[in-house]
Amino acid sequence: GAGVSQTPSNKVTEKGKYVELRCDPISGHTALYWYRQSLGQGPEFLIYFQGTGAADDSGLPNDRFFAVRPEGSVSTLKIQRTERGDSAVYLCASSSGTHEQYFGPGTRLTVT
Amino acid sequence: GQNIDQPTEMTATEGAIVQINCTYQTSGFNGLFWYQQHAGEAPTFLSYNVLDGLEEKGRFSSFLSRSKGYSYLLLKELQMKDSASYLCAVRGNQAGTALIFGKGTTLSVSS
Repeated sequence: GAGVSQTPSNKVTEKGKYVELRCDPISGHTALYWYRQSLGQGPEFLIYFQGTGAADDSGLPNDRFFAVRPEGSVSTLKIQRTERGDSAVYLCASSSGTHEQYFGPGTRLTVT
Repeated sequence: GQNIDQPTEMTATEGAIVQINCTYQTSGFNGLFWYQQHAGEAPTFLSYNVLDGLEEKGRFSSFLSRSKGYSYLLLKELQMKDSASYLCAVRGNQAGTALIFGKGTTLSVSS
């Protein structure tokens, strides 16, 4: 079956611009996670959804970052007033509530 | 605080056995995961331990000691395709919560 998909695969934007990153989880998975990964580091947790609601958003670095999952399936991570330090690979993962989280291929964000 | 430590790099030869260690200090524990990540790709799930002991799955095994805050991933009969980053991750107190990842161990397998 289809895995987790993320669009776009690459995004280059200028400092100060707004970006949206999309995640399509595995069908039927109720849990959805956003992480970001910088070069040479492990993924860093951003936010976790259970259904439509954000169950834990403690990893969002500041109020420029926001995520939604209005129908409990697709999720969008929104970053306002991007900064060069936001450059990273943004990973989405989904889970059926058992052990494993299945990761998407990521969106590589570059802020120039 | 939350801290997960694993070696940065390891090297090994084809056919050999390698053990990647991971130590953790977290505020809660509900499972330890190992993921494999090839360069430029998404992490893929390898193993899960929640009770002490060894879990074996083909060429890969993972061990957990909760009292010591310690795990290892054992890779046998190494192949060139095993060259990748291996990520140790801990889940907090409740099932479904996010994973806390270590920085990963880059394994290079040579012929």
